[in-house]
Amino acid sequence: EAGVTQFPSHSVIEKGQTVTLRCDPISGHDNLYWYRRVMGKEIKFLLHFVKESKQDESGMPNNRFLAERTGGTYSTLKVQPAELEDSGVYFCASSQELGQGTDTQYFGPGTRLTVL
Amino acid sequence: GQQLNQSPQSMFIQEGEDVSMNCTSSSIFNTWLWYKQDPGEGPVLLIALYKAGELTSNGRLTAQFGITRKDSFLNISASIPSDVGIYFCAGPRLISTGKLIFGQGTTLQVKP
Repeated sequence: EAGVTQFPSHSVIEKGQTVTLRCDPISGHDNLYWYRRVMGKEIKFLLHFVKESKQDESGMPNNRFLAERTGGTYSTLKVQPAELEDSGVYFCASSQELGQGTDTQYFGPGTRLTVL
Repeated sequence: GQQLNQSPQSMFIQEGEDVSMNCTSSSIFNTWLWYKQDPGEGPVLLIALYKAGELTSNGRLTAQFGITRKDSFLNISASIPSDVGIYFCAGPRLISTGKLIFGQGTTLQVKP
């Protein structure tokens, strides 16, 4: 069974440009999460989808970030326009169960975003 | 908001040594999770703890859920080079949601 995949693995863009990150969860997983780790700090929650609906987007930094999950399968996270502080590693995770704290979340390898 | 304070920040040890790292919080957590991130990969769940006082092992790894529900530790015995990576503690913000709070991570390096 394929794990969570993310594309691209690395992205280097200039401040003001737009970048779109993609996540393909494990097949059949209704819950999809986005997290971000800024260099040397903790991994921070961004948002949680249940199928195509946003269950919790309390971690989204500001309105320059837009996440979608059309059809309840893969998800995209768009940053527009990108700022220097958006640099970091963006992780996607998925889980099969109820979207609760006891679920096992499976993480993708992450997308390393560098904004110059 | 809830924060998890993880220590030490980094460790450089000799192969064969035992390792201990811990995580503390000012708030109660009802679940404690320990993840490991290998270089270039995403975090992988090592151990999950669900009850205060619980002691759980996974091979050479042992983790405990503190009695106060505000701390947890992870021990690795007889370290080997493949133990290298970043270890994160984590817990759900609320048991009813999947939102995880993570510690800052402990970077472990093992010298053969």
